[in-house]
Amino acid sequence: SYVLTQPPSVSVAPGQTATITCGGNYIGSKNVHWYQQKPGQAPVLVVYNDSDRPSGIPERFSGSNSGDTATLIISRVEAGDEADYHCQVWDYNSDRLVVFGGGTKLTVL
Amino acid sequence: EVQLVESGGDLVQPGGSLRLSCAASGFTFNNYDMHWVRQVPGKGLEWVSAIGIRGDTYYPDSVKGRFTVSRENVKKSLVLQMNSLRAGDTAVYYCARWAGSYDKWGQGTLVTVSS
Repeated sequence: SYVLTQPPSVSVAPGQTATITCGGNYIGSKNVHWYQQKPGQAPVLVVYNDSDRPSGIPERFSGSNSGDTATLIISRVEAGDEADYHCQVWDYNSDRLVVFGGGTKLTVL
Repeated sequence: EVQLVESGGDLVQPGGSLRLSCAASGFTFNNYDMHWVRQVPGKGLEWVSAIGIRGDTYYPDSVKGRFTVSRENVKKSLVLQMNSLRAGDTAVYYCARWAGSYDKWGQGTLVTVSS
């Protein structure tokens, strides 16, 4: 079955740029979605279809996807961005139609 | 405002059964596929089931034959019937609206399988 690999943790200072990767075989051929999850809360969609933002999500959140790596980019990081971030794809060729990465804990120093 | 509210989570013994419900409001329920996603506390997200607008259902191998998802469009309700529960099914269960991605989530309900 399809596997998505994320780094367990990423740390960044306020005001800097955070980059969270999501690796998968030919992931560039799939639509990648990103969810932010703060402690004790449900996930929230922050980027869909690789690089689109839902209404209400700041422009500081962006994404890219090519080859074997998709990337979530958070510019001008704020303390409130500290959360777990999960990538997700739809995989028609797997019994698990929906695949999530293991999640990345973003720490704002 | 779109709302998804789960209920039914509880402590259940291994081998037991549990029925989770998700009440939807604020949108045309029968226009959307609906999914269940679970999360072991402190761990990642895992897809559990999906049901299409026509009632077609999908499951991963880990729950196939044990879990059944259904929907009642008139009541705007999503249901997950879980049988033969195992310790590994312990998790927070979320219902989520699928619109090509999960654009809305409920707050989740905790299922604990333990003797």
